Amino acid sequence: GAVVSQHPSWVICKSGTSVKIECRSLDFQATTMFWYRQFPKQSLMLMATSNEGSKATYEQGVEKDKFLINHASLTLSTLTVTSAHPEDSSFYICSAPHTIFYNEQFFGPGTRLTVL
Amino acid sequence: GQQLNQSPQSMFIQEGEDVSMNCTSSSIFNTWLWYKQDPGEGPVLLIALYKAGELTSNGRLTAQFGITRKDSFLNISASIPSDVGIYFCAGDDMRFGAGTRLTVKP
Repeated sequence: GAVVSQHPSWVICKSGTSVKIECRSLDFQATTMFWYRQFPKQSLMLMATSNEGSKATYEQGVEKDKFLINHASLTLSTLTVTSAHPEDSSFYICSAPHTIFYNEQFFGPGTRLTVL
Repeated sequence: GQQLNQSPQSMFIQEGEDVSMNCTSSSIFNTWLWYKQDPGEGPVLLIALYKAGELTSNGRLTAQFGITRKDSFLNISASIPSDVGIYFCAGDDMRFGAGTRLTVKP
């Protein structure tokens, strides 16, 4: 089956630093990937749609200058949390769609970010 | 955007019992999806529905795409401890319902 990986699985950083999270589709190509954020005991909130070769599409209320997304290749999308603050601490999850059934998503294992 | 309402928010059941949860949307969907998330992991797709009225099973799980295309339900029969987790519905726009947290007592 299709596998999506994320790296790192967890990261702790100081306030004001930037953190990069990678999302890779391991055995299939993904021209589109999705980034979600999940706070404890809450649902997944769609942050942005990452598009290979073009700019990401951000959901309303998500600051594009704070959450930089780069879809560098057909198998890699990165999310950079710039100037991280404690309120950015969350579980960040990426997904990539099935190559035929686009609405079916394969999710990565998530990255837990803790900002001190 | 489309609003997804998922209920119940949580369920505490005894092993062996059946479970039912549902989602409703403010708009018509062409696709309904049900995912399960275990603690500290990403969601995993359980069932995808593409046609109004469609009833699809995956082992002990059964899901239906409502006739109005604005709702869907997921049933789990004869629950077991490993069914514990959070179940989410999702529609066409990649957005998720609030989730149903299932606890199964052995």
